Amino acid sequence: SQKIEQNSEALNIQEGKTATLTCNYTNYSPAYLQWYRQDPGRGPVFLLLIRENEKEKRKERLKVTFDTTLKQSLFHITASQPADSATYLCALPNQAGTALIFGKGTTLSVSS
Amino acid sequence: GAVVSQHPSRVICKSGTSVKIECRSLDFQATTMFWYRQFPKQSLMLMATSNEGSKATYEQGVEKDKFLINHASLTLSTLTVTSAHPEDSSFYICSAREGGPGDTIYFGEGSWLTVV
Repeated sequence: SQKIEQNSEALNIQEGKTATLTCNYTNYSPAYLQWYRQDPGRGPVFLLLIRENEKEKRKERLKVTFDTTLKQSLFHITASQPADSATYLCALPNQAGTALIFGKGTTLSVSS
Repeated sequence: GAVVSQHPSRVICKSGTSVKIECRSLDFQATTMFWYRQFPKQSLMLMATSNEGSKATYEQGVEKDKFLINHASLTLSTLTVTSAHPEDSSFYICSAREGGPGDTIYFGEGSWLTVV
């Protein structure tokens, strides 16, 4: 079955730096990949979707890359701010393509 | 963006009773709704997928007689936890999609269930 790994449970960086989060997957080739933000006790909020034929996608200070050869996505937040502190989840469609499955998430802490 | 509303946001129930959680898509018609469960510091685990008017498809290991899912209309799905036990205490999150696979999925704010 497919596996999603977000290698770091936690990432601590200083304000103004770029945060880079990693998502690796195995055992299949998804048509797309999504990133979500989750704050404590809240539901996930959709951030970006990148399709298999797209190498990179940007939205304001966010950038996502999708390397289907390495089976990896990188999620970057540039000029990070304390308000960016949250858990970031990588999500892929299941093999049937009917639902999303999630990684465990990386909790980002941005200190001022 | 699209809004998905869950109710109640927090509920405490006694062991052995049943509790219902509602999930509504407020500004779009959700052809498909999903129910997830999340334990502290863990990922979201998919419980079931439901399409309006048909029976839900449950993930392996999820008891369909315990977690009853009804998707009676294009804007409402309900999850009923029957004969709840303390181990059912968790954060339950619903999500909804307007179109087909690959379309954006919007999540509700989640419902905290505590069984005492």
